[in-house]
Amino acid sequence: DVKVTQSSRYLVKRTGEKVFLECVQDMDHENMFWYRQDPGLGLRLIYFSYDVKMKEKGDIPEGYSVSREKKERFSLILESASTNQTSMYLCASSPPLSFRDQPQHFGDGTRLSIL
Amino acid sequence: TQLLEQSPQFLSIQEGENLTVYCNSSSVFSSLQWYRQEPGEGPVLLVTVVTGGEVKKLKRLTFQFGDARKDSSLHITAAQPGDTGLYLCAASVNYGQNFVFGPGTRLSVLP
Repeated sequence: DVKVTQSSRYLVKRTGEKVFLECVQDMDHENMFWYRQDPGLGLRLIYFSYDVKMKEKGDIPEGYSVSREKKERFSLILESASTNQTSMYLCASSPPLSFRDQPQHFGDGTRLSIL
Repeated sequence: TQLLEQSPQFLSIQEGENLTVYCNSSSVFSSLQWYRQEPGEGPVLLVTVVTGGEVKKLKRLTFQFGDARKDSSLHITAAQPGDTGLYLCAASVNYGQNFVFGPGTRLSVLP
């Protein structure tokens, strides 16, 4: 079974702090994704990566950056946390484009609160 | 505005009842997936549909992709409390590279 592990289930930080959310997958997937989930809005894509050191902006990249130094690890960085970044953050991985319409495998999420 | 609309937003029913939830868009998609998310967990894939008019069954769950590949429905027969969760549809706009998610239908099945 694919395992996607997010480093924290709950996190509380203060406005202005630099926040790191870590995600590790064990299936050697090329693709990795970061979403945020808010009530009534569904999942919105922040950033994604198709390979090591590659990254692409999703629909809502403002205020975030990412890092993918190793294939199994994809980090989301909040450069200067703000209260409107309080949310559930979900990491996912999937096989490459050549495997059409494969499912995304999700971690259990990090519920981040910015005070 | 949402690329994908889901209805109803909330649904509360008694065990044993049937229900249908919908996923709609004005766009044509190459494929569509349904996920279920339980509290405290990430979404888990239920099914992928790729052909217009396609119907797939997963035990008591029946999924249909519209002929024009713009909409989909999920029908649950004889709902059970274990079906409780958030049902999300996700559509591919470029053959599986990225998926756009709908806002979800939150289903509660009461014993």
